[in-house]
Amino acid sequence: EADIYQTPRYLVIGTGKKITLECSQTMGHDKMYWYQQDPGMELHLIHYSYGVNSTEKGDLSSESTVSRIRTEHFPLTLESARPSHTSQYLCASSPRELADTDTQYFGPGTRLTVL
Amino acid sequence: GDSVTQMEGPVTLSEEAFLTINCTYTATGYPSLFWYVQYPGEGLQLLLKATKADDKGSNKGFEATYRKETTSFHLEKGSVQVSDSAVYFCALSDRAGGFKTIFGAGTRLFVKA
Repeated sequence: EADIYQTPRYLVIGTGKKITLECSQTMGHDKMYWYQQDPGMELHLIHYSYGVNSTEKGDLSSESTVSRIRTEHFPLTLESARPSHTSQYLCASSPRELADTDTQYFGPGTRLTVL
Repeated sequence: GDSVTQMEGPVTLSEEAFLTINCTYTATGYPSLFWYVQYPGEGLQLLLKATKADDKGSNKGFEATYRKETTSFHLEKGSVQVSDSAVYFCALSDRAGGFKTIFGAGTRLFVKA
């Protein structure tokens, strides 16, 4: 059973607000990811990290930023939210061990609505 | 680059019907192949995986066989239940791509009682 947590689960905010979506995992995984999931269900990688102090942008351009100061924590921040940021955000992690490094463990997601 | 193509949904079946969701892939290396499932209001979870040609992954009555000759990894279940209603994602991960996961677009399955 994967132990990866996201808070809040649901968030409704006004345009222009700064928000941080939290993601934590207790499995000691080195690699962590953020995906944006559109209403059609397709997943888009927006950020990833292969370890502490390592962050990279994903395939989909995003106005969000991430940080990785601790192994277990990978928060995503939007400095000024807009209605176009309305989406489901999924966090995932995967271990370093070669036998399982290609498997991703997902959190429950944060559904963000920007009015 | 690597890619995954899966059949469009939604797929609607009656309980106890046979399920097939088609998935094909393109990859430069020798990827691992996955099926993930997403139940309503939840994140994705691994359903099954196969790491080399002719491997069969299986879990909860679902099966998929890694077919290198047809570059396919079709998901099957002999008798679906209402509780199988979910979105199913085919995916691949390749060492050549740094183990980044490429997901298909997802197929929504509805099972009617």
